[in-house]
Amino acid sequence: DAMVIQNPRYQVTQFGKPVTLSCSQTLNHNVMYWYQQKSSQAPKLLFHYYDKDFNNEADTPDNFQSRRPNTSFCFLDIRSPGLGDAAMYLCATSREPFRETQYFGPGTRLLVL
Amino acid sequence: GENVEQHPSTLSVQEGDSAVIKCTYSDSASNYFPWYKQELGKRPQLIIDIRSNVGEKKDQRIAVTLNKTAKHFSLHITETQPEDSAVYFCAALPGNEKLTFGTGTRLTIIP
Repeated sequence: DAMVIQNPRYQVTQFGKPVTLSCSQTLNHNVMYWYQQKSSQAPKLLFHYYDKDFNNEADTPDNFQSRRPNTSFCFLDIRSPGLGDAAMYLCATSREPFRETQYFGPGTRLLVL
Repeated sequence: GENVEQHPSTLSVQEGDSAVIKCTYSDSASNYFPWYKQELGKRPQLIIDIRSNVGEKKDQRIAVTLNKTAKHFSLHITETQPEDSAVYFCAALPGNEKLTFGTGTRLTIIP
């Protein structure tokens, strides 16, 4: 049974055209994270939500935004994708921030043309 | 902040042999150490984790050891199988800060 779901699995967008990636969870976890993973690299945390509280990493570009309308859903918005934003975007959840195990979704692979 | 080093970056092992991946961390406040397995194009999947109050944990063919004094922890896979081929990431969690990942080890099991 899928616990962390991401849609779409593959997304192609044009340079500068806004794109939204979706994540949903059935675990009822309080925390949802967004990671960016480029080829052969470790996942890099962009930001996380603890309930409705948004926590941005200091080095996350302003081009990346997030929304969490309810406990189950979280969105990643890339306002003006550049070629360097092509990557795998992973959503993860945990019960409490950082102290608990994180469960990852299958990821969305973003291609920027 | 926390810094995690992981070695080796690539590892090839004959099927049936054991594989060992080592990580060191810098922040003595780190108290949770998960290991993730990531197959090509798939999600990182938690395979085993250990907390700082435990020195060793085993789950079938997979074991993790933790040496808090030396600040290092290791993943041991015995009787390796082709399906063990993947990239493995260690990580450390220093209290309420973000999970810090190692740089990954690409493990190849040679049939």
